[in-house]
Amino acid sequence: RKEVEQDPGPFNVPEGATVAFNCTYSNSASQSFFWYRQDCRKEPKLLMSVYSSGNEDGRFTAQLNRASQYISLLIRDSKLSDSATYLCVAGGGSYIPTFGRGTSLIVHP
Amino acid sequence: GAVVSQHPSWVICKSGTSVKIECRSLDFQATTMFWYRQFPKQSLMLMATSNEGSKATYEQGVEKDKFLINHASLTLSTLTVTSAHPEDSSFYICSARATGEEQYFGPGTRLTVT
Repeated sequence: RKEVEQDPGPFNVPEGATVAFNCTYSNSASQSFFWYRQDCRKEPKLLMSVYSSGNEDGRFTAQLNRASQYISLLIRDSKLSDSATYLCVAGGGSYIPTFGRGTSLIVHP
Repeated sequence: GAVVSQHPSWVICKSGTSVKIECRSLDFQATTMFWYRQFPKQSLMLMATSNEGSKATYEQGVEKDKFLINHASLTLSTLTVTSAHPEDSSFYICSARATGEEQYFGPGTRLTVT
């Protein structure tokens, strides 16, 4: 079983839609969680950290569910520029950060 | 966010030659640097973890004698692909971490071995 699993998608949504991704992790000792965004042939860029209390940044909301061992990312009012691959990461402490395979999002007009 | 540079951004080399890739943290001191490899449509695969002044820790299946990592200072780590083969062609990305948990990625190096 992979340590961090994501639905690869693609998620194909119209502009203005709300879309949510989930990511499950297998290591219950994971302490730090992040969402990264990766554009085609570019390096990943940190989108946001995921805290136990949740985290909201504009149109983006991240949640952590420790009991079920998953993190989520909600994007409201999708823009064309949101089209990218979204990677989740679980790690922290002595645990090396592990990336999910990424979820592809395509926002169309 | 913090800035990490990588050089070169792309390189083409002949089979059997060696290639060195540099990773620098420009505005912070990186206690740990990570080296990843990403094949098309695949996830980032961690190759090794490098701490300044100590030997790198390699992930299972990564040959340490083929992928030489040197982390001589808190701002520079290098990855040398020795005796490169076409199957080593990939996107190599480094990341650096300071005291927090966030990682900051370099722009990546696209290696093509002919």
